[in-house]
Amino acid sequence: GENVEQHPSTLSVQEGDSAVIKCTYSDSASNYFPWYKQELGKRPQLIIDIRSNVGEKKDQRIAVTLNKTAKHFSLHITETQPEDSAVYFCAATPSGFQKLVFGTGTRLLVSP
Amino acid sequence: GAVVSQHPSRVICKSGTSVKIECRSLDFQATTMFWYRQFPKKSLMLMATSNEGSKATYEQGVEKDKFLINHASLTLSTLTVTSAHPEDSSFYICSARDRELAASGRYTDTQYFGPGTRLTVL
Repeated sequence: GENVEQHPSTLSVQEGDSAVIKCTYSDSASNYFPWYKQELGKRPQLIIDIRSNVGEKKDQRIAVTLNKTAKHFSLHITETQPEDSAVYFCAATPSGFQKLVFGTGTRLLVSP
Repeated sequence: GAVVSQHPSRVICKSGTSVKIECRSLDFQATTMFWYRQFPKKSLMLMATSNEGSKATYEQGVEKDKFLINHASLTLSTLTVTSAHPEDSSFYICSARDRELAASGRYTDTQYFGPGTRLTVL
């Protein structure tokens, strides 16, 4: 089955800096890679996703890149703000979308 | 994005009682919903996949008789924690799959989460 690894587990940056979170997956058949942001006690919120037919996707300050050959994908946040502080989860799903397999999460702290 | 609701948001119950949690897709139909459990500072652990009109598919190690799932309509799935014990205390989150037909002719799936239910068993 699919296995997703996520690094780092914690990330502290200064406001305005960039933050990068990386994930690797094991199942070459996976074709959908969403990123969720979860604030304390709240639901995971989908912030961006990418499908296997593209290599990069951008939405304002957030971008995701996908390297299918190496089986890894990354979340890039530019010009970080304190409200970006949260736990970020990557996920992958094999073809057919039966379920999402989540990474272990990255706690991002943006200091003013 | 699509909206998923979950009820109740918090519940406290006595050991031995059963608790039912509802998950609803408010503005789309979901043939498939998922139930997760999340421990403090941990990732989401998939418990089961709920399919409308058929039996749920449970993940390894999840007791199907303990966690009853019913997906009776295209907008509602329920999780019942039976004979709850303190070790069942956790944050339970559902999600619903929104399937759309893209211009390419292929379906694209996106999963949206409910707000979660914090269960405390005394």
